Amino acid sequence: DAGVTQSPTHLIKTRGQHVTLRCSPISGHKSVSWYQQVLGQGPQFIFQYYEKEERGRGNFPDRFSARQFPNYSSELNVNALLLGDSALYLCASSTGLAGEFGSNEQFFGPGTRLTVL
Amino acid sequence: GIQVEQSPPDLILQEGANSTLRCNFSDSVNNLQWFHQNPWGQLINLFYIPSGTKQNGRLSATTVATERYSLLYISSSQTTDSGVYFCAVSDAGAGSYQLTFGKGTKLSVIP
Repeated sequence: DAGVTQSPTHLIKTRGQHVTLRCSPISGHKSVSWYQQVLGQGPQFIFQYYEKEERGRGNFPDRFSARQFPNYSSELNVNALLLGDSALYLCASSTGLAGEFGSNEQFFGPGTRLTVL
Repeated sequence: GIQVEQSPPDLILQEGANSTLRCNFSDSVNNLQWFHQNPWGQLINLFYIPSGTKQNGRLSATTVATERYSLLYISSSQTTDSGVYFCAVSDAGAGSYQLTFGKGTKLSVIP
């Protein structure tokens, strides 16, 4: 079975540009979450989506936005890139089925490594 | 928000040795996961363990939710166990699935 997939693998942008990162969840998973991991730190939560609705948002500026599509895939958009946005961006999926044990167990994709110059 | 502390931050082991990694958290959780991050950044699921004890080969984990800690045991360590181990939790009162990660334990297993 395919795991969580992300594209692109690597990306280089310059300050002020915009970037779109993509994620496809495990088949049957309806919840997608995004995390940012800077070097030497643990991942930080950015967004969670379930059934195309935002269910949670971390402490990130409005330059960060996301959406989930009817097929449960998701996009993370970052506008007006700053040097500090350079990081590994991770996508995670979970079944999200309310009341089901283990529905919040998250499975991570390989990440997109973004470098802002 | 919920706080997660992992210890030790760094650990160097001789191949074959055993180790215990600890994760303390500050509030009630409805999810606790242990991950191993490989050198390429991939987070590999080790355990989903909001409570109780689980074993998988040379690895085992115990979470005592009432005392707000979890332990990851690695026995007979191998060089392939090297990497960063993360504990991550979801706050039971938060209403979302967001995971809060600790800063990790960097494990180095030397031959």
